[in-house]
Amino acid sequence: QTVVTQEPSFSVSPGGTVTLTCGLRSGSVSTRFFPSWYQQTPGQPPRTLIYSTNTRSSGVPDRFSGSIVGNKAALTITGAQADDESDYYCVLYMGSGLWVFGGGTKLTVL
Amino acid sequence: EVQLLESGGGLVQPGGSLSLSCAASGFTFSSYWMSWVRQAPGKGLEWVANMNQDGSDKYYVDSVKGRFTISRDNTKNSLYLQMTSLRDDDTAVYFCATVDGYALRYWGQGALVTVSS
Repeated sequence: QTVVTQEPSFSVSPGGTVTLTCGLRSGSVSTRFFPSWYQQTPGQPPRTLIYSTNTRSSGVPDRFSGSIVGNKAALTITGAQADDESDYYCVLYMGSGLWVFGGGTKLTVL
Repeated sequence: EVQLLESGGGLVQPGGSLSLSCAASGFTFSSYWMSWVRQAPGKGLEWVANMNQDGSDKYYVDSVKGRFTISRDNTKNSLYLQMTSLRDDDTAVYFCATVDGYALRYWGQGALVTVSS
């Protein structure tokens, strides 16, 4: 069973920079997994932030960026704002039409 | 503007069946893969199923194989999820989403499915 790992929670100060990661319990994440990132606030559907590792979805501010750092996919928020306080999910394409989400990271801005 | 509107959610007893629909507008529905993703109350997102443009390729998470069927009608710009043998742990909000560039690009608001006796 494929397990995609994310930090359960993270905290950042307003104006600060935070990097959330997305890994595999067994193995390394690379661009061939086409990692994508989603932001979700309570009661709302997810919002697509980043796809194919580092491509911002339309309308997403450039303070959100995606990359591969070491053996993980990463979402970096530069200049965090109060309304960035959300849950963040990554998903990896495992091939053969199958996708697996990470467990999500609850980001607090304080 | 891309719009996805799920319908058909509700309360169903364990072992029962339910069918969800997703009405799409604002884009060429027949050109895109489509997905269902669910979220149990207070939990994370879980990918459930994918379907290609003409319905010839379908993929499912292991936990729903043999119980759920994804389908589409391109003439009606609609995606469906037929769910049978429902279990308590199928209780979730079910989202439909477009697939583009190996990403879930646009999402509906979701439909709540509650499996309980």
